[in-house]
Amino acid sequence: AQSVTQLGSHVSVSEGALVLLRCNYSSSVPPYLFWYVQYPNQGLQLLLKYTSAATLVKGINGFEAEFKKSETSFHLTKPSAHMSDAAEYFCAVSGGSGGYQKVTFGIGTKLQVIP
Amino acid sequence: DTGVSQDPRHKITKRGQNVTFRCDPISEHNRLYWYRQTLGQGPEFLTYFQNEAQLEKSRLLSDRFSAERPKGSFSTLEIQRTEQGDSAMYLCASSFDRGSYNEQFFGPGTRLTVL
Repeated sequence: AQSVTQLGSHVSVSEGALVLLRCNYSSSVPPYLFWYVQYPNQGLQLLLKYTSAATLVKGINGFEAEFKKSETSFHLTKPSAHMSDAAEYFCAVSGGSGGYQKVTFGIGTKLQVIP
Repeated sequence: DTGVSQDPRHKITKRGQNVTFRCDPISEHNRLYWYRQTLGQGPEFLTYFQNEAQLEKSRLLSDRFSAERPKGSFSTLEIQRTEQGDSAMYLCASSFDRGSYNEQFFGPGTRLTVL
């Protein structure tokens, strides 16, 4: 079964600093990988997705992620944090025995941005 | 606004009562998904529909849970004899069938509190 592991349930960065949120995946077939953002009391919004095309994926709000098969990683980065980036971020995977319809989420990483 | 909508946004009920949630997907989307998100966790897949057919159910969906999508448009999720462990955010998502990959658009969720 596919799964994702998010390293660090809480990450704090200073405004203007690099954001790095880590995600490692496990899948028996080429996966589709996603990063979602969730603001308090809201649903999830897709930031970016990897679906076997370019390994460096650019998303909304200046975020990007790189698919590294050798490291089974899909880390999320942003060069300069903004206060509005404070939210919870979920890495997710589909594929494997669950099929591409079923999306499996990580436990999430709460990003705090310090002024 | 043509996004996914969910009703109600919040529901407080007493243990043992039945509750029903509604999800209205994006109008042209033929797939609809239900997820449950408990505090400190990522969303967990419950079930999904293609048009009116329920194609997959998670083991998390006990006999007390039932989901329907009678005309292939809106969907309802009913929980009978609620338990305190049912307290969670229930998220609905929808997508349009484009083969293996279908971007899921999420609604704002219904937060259930069972007293």
